[in-house]
This record gives sequence, C-alpha cells and structure tokens, in this order.
Amino acid sequence: EAGVAQSPRYKIIEKRQSVAFWCNPISGHATLYWYQQILGQGPKLLIQFQNNGVVDDSQLPKDRFSAERLKGVDSTLKIQPAKLEDSAVYLCASSLAGGYQLFFGSGTQLSVL
Amino acid sequence: ILNVEQSPQSLHVQEGDSTNFTCSFPSSNFYALHWYRWETAKSPEALFVMTLNGDEKKKGRISATLNTKEGYSYLYIKGSQPEDSATYLCAFRDDYKLSFGAGTTVTVRA
Repeated sequence: EAGVAQSPRYKIIEKRQSVAFWCNPISGHATLYWYQQILGQGPKLLIQFQNNGVVDDSQLPKDRFSAERLKGVDSTLKIQPAKLEDSAVYLCASSLAGGYQLFFGSGTQLSVL
Repeated sequence: ILNVEQSPQSLHVQEGDSTNFTCSFPSSNFYALHWYRWETAKSPEALFVMTLNGDEKKKGRISATLNTKEGYSYLYIKGSQPEDSATYLCAFRDDYKLSFGAGTTVTVRA
C-alpha cells in the first residue's frame, strides 16, 4: 500500500513570496490533515478535511494561508505572502473516516529567508 | 489548545542502556493517547494507540503504559540501539481533536 505522498521535500523562499505544497493521501482515506511543526514545538493542526469539506480550520491563518482538496483526494496548501515565522515542517496526514490512526507523509521543510 | 507536555525534551543514551520518558495530558475528555516515532527525513510512524486506563502496549523493545486518571503515559526503550534514535511524539485525542506534544528526541550513542 502506497503511503502519503508530499512534495516538495524542501523549499527555500524569501519573505513575501508565495509557496504551495501538495499532498496525495492513502487511497480510500476520507480525512486529510495539514499540520505545521515549528522547531521545538509539537505539530499544530492547520486544517482538516473530510472528503472535500473543511472540518476544522480554526488555527489556519486565513489572511495568508489557504488550502483546498478538490474532488476529495489530493490537497494543496498555499502560503501567500510568506513570513519568516512560517519556517517550519508542513506535514500532511490522512486517515479513514472516523479512524483513530493517522498516517503521515514525510513533510515539506520550508525555510523563509 | 490543550496542554500536552513531554519530558525530557531530549536525552542521550548509551547503546544497550534502557530509558524512559513521559507524556502528560489532560485527565478529562480522554479518548486515546497516540505515540509516534519520527526519524530524521522520514514520516512519523505510529507506535501505539492506547485507549484504556492501565493499558500496556509493546512493540519489540519499545513499550508504553497509560494512566488516564492522572493524565500520563510512559514510553520505555529497553536495550537502546542506534536505530532507536528519533523524536518520539505523543498525541492526546479528546472528543474531537488530536493535540501533540513537542516530543522527546532520543540519541543513542554507540
């Protein structure tokens, strides 16, 4: 079974630039999550999708972050414009609907200079 | 935002030694406690999902215990090996959300 795929693996941008991350969840997983992990902190949920609907985006900075999950499969997370404090690892995870177990991708390491 | 705390933040262990570390979480609205292992440049990997007070889980040389009444879980590594070097994350699930601790980074010295 293929795991959660994420790209790119690394990204370096300058502040005020835009960046996008892509995630393809495990086939059949209805729930998709985007987490932000800043160095020294635990992963923080940015947004949770159930199929193509948003379940929780309470911690998504909506003035600069956006995410979509068209057709209820893969998802894109965008930051526009980026700030220095956005430097972090962005993790995508997926699970079965109502499932306890999350399966993670290997993340995107973002550095904003 | 729920307070999930892990201690210590990091530890160094000699190969062959055993070690343990702690995850503290709220004792109310408990649904489950997850442990993940996250090796550098890899995906976080699920180790255990624990749901019942008194649960003990084991996977090879790694085991975990759970006390939901007092709000803590211990993770033990017996006879540490270099491949155990990783960050170990715990995550507390209440009735609607999974909240992560900051992790304990374990470095096993040969």
